[in-house]
Amino acid sequence: DVKVTQSSRYLVKRTGEKVFLECVQDMDHENMFWYRQDPGLGLRLIYFSYDVKMKEKGDIPEGYSVSREKKERFSLILESASTNQTSMYLCASRRDKSAQFFGPGTRLTVL
Amino acid sequence: KQEVTQIPAALSVPEGENLVLNCSFTDSAIYNLQWFRQDPGKGLTSLLLIQSSQREQTSGRLNASLDKSSGRSTLYIAASQPGDSATYLCAVNPGANSKLTFGKGITLSVRP
Repeated sequence: DVKVTQSSRYLVKRTGEKVFLECVQDMDHENMFWYRQDPGLGLRLIYFSYDVKMKEKGDIPEGYSVSREKKERFSLILESASTNQTSMYLCASRRDKSAQFFGPGTRLTVL
Repeated sequence: KQEVTQIPAALSVPEGENLVLNCSFTDSAIYNLQWFRQDPGKGLTSLLLIQSSQREQTSGRLNASLDKSSGRSTLYIAASQPGDSATYLCAVNPGANSKLTFGKGITLSVRP
């Protein structure tokens, strides 16, 4: 079975802190994605990557950056966390034309 | 720009009913369409993937169909159970190295 793991299920940070969210997949997928999900707004894509060291902006990249140094790992970075970044963060991976798989999510609260 | 619509946003049915969840999309040029289930506070679980060349896929009590020409997919759930209560999302894949376009989901409640 495909496994996508995220470093934390719950995270509480202070405004202005630098936050790292890690995602690892074990199926050699080329494509990896970071989403955030908020009530009433649905899933929104932050960034995605279709290869190592490649990244593409999604719909809401402002305030975020990403890193993909190894194929299996895709990191989301909040350079200076703000309260409006309180959200559920979901990582996903996919091989082209195949099913997309999601991690369990990280519930981030920024105080 | 591809748009994916799922109506209604919420549905409540008694246990045992057969039900159909609808998904419509505006651009028929897709690689595939995927149905997901999401339980509260959890990630999305993949249910079924239908390639553009296929008409339907089945897994247990679930059957998903795809009609590209009309821009529609349906997820059929047979003999619904309270454990089927969740939000169901559909998403279309437009092509290689592409991002999925998601619907907002249908929140299903199956009453015992």
